[in-house]
Amino acid sequence: AQSVTQLGSHVSVSEGALVLLRCNYSSSVPPYLFWYVQYPNQGLQLLLKYTSAATLVKGINGFEAEFKKSETSFHLTKPSAHMSDAAEYFCAVSGGFYNQGGKLIFGQGTELSVKP
Amino acid sequence: NAGVTQTPKFRVLKTGQSMTLLCAQDMNHEYMYWYRQDPGMGLRLIHYSVGEGTTAKGEVPDGYNVSRLKKQNFLLGLESAAPSQTSVYFCASSYTYGLENTEAFFGQGTRLTVV
Repeated sequence: AQSVTQLGSHVSVSEGALVLLRCNYSSSVPPYLFWYVQYPNQGLQLLLKYTSAATLVKGINGFEAEFKKSETSFHLTKPSAHMSDAAEYFCAVSGGFYNQGGKLIFGQGTELSVKP
Repeated sequence: NAGVTQTPKFRVLKTGQSMTLLCAQDMNHEYMYWYRQDPGMGLRLIHYSVGEGTTAKGEVPDGYNVSRLKKQNFLLGLESAAPSQTSVYFCASSYTYGLENTEAFFGQGTRLTVV
């Protein structure tokens, strides 16, 4: 079974500041991990994914995440926040082949606000 | 390139009414999913399908039925709508590359209100 916990339902940063969104997962099989972003009234867009290759994953819009097996974490970071980064972010885990159908289990979401 | 298309985008139902949400994908993906999104709860899986003619239950299947008669379409039905089914519904599709789980592609959502 898989589960995801996102620490902090709301995060607020100033423009130009570091963005850190936390995600911890639980998985009984080697996990595939994803971060998605959702802008208001839109669907979900993939930011980045971990699929057992490099542990540091780079995504779109300057975001990156590091897979740490010992900490069961997959935190999302961006060195310098832009106003356009304001959105809701979801961490998700999948068991892939072992979890038939590759279905995603999502965290509760973190809403990121960026102050001018 | 349409990707994943959901119909309708908005709907208001009265308690006890029925309706069907349609999801269509043009990427030839094997796997399709229906999720519901509620504030503070993220996205929860309702039902999913690993191929044409197959369906399976997710985390919150009660009150919903699905069908996958054609590979490109995945229908979600509400037989007797309840206010607790007021939510935003998302359809997604994906494929597996070898043993690797690839990303899921999402539709724009259907906002359903049951009064």
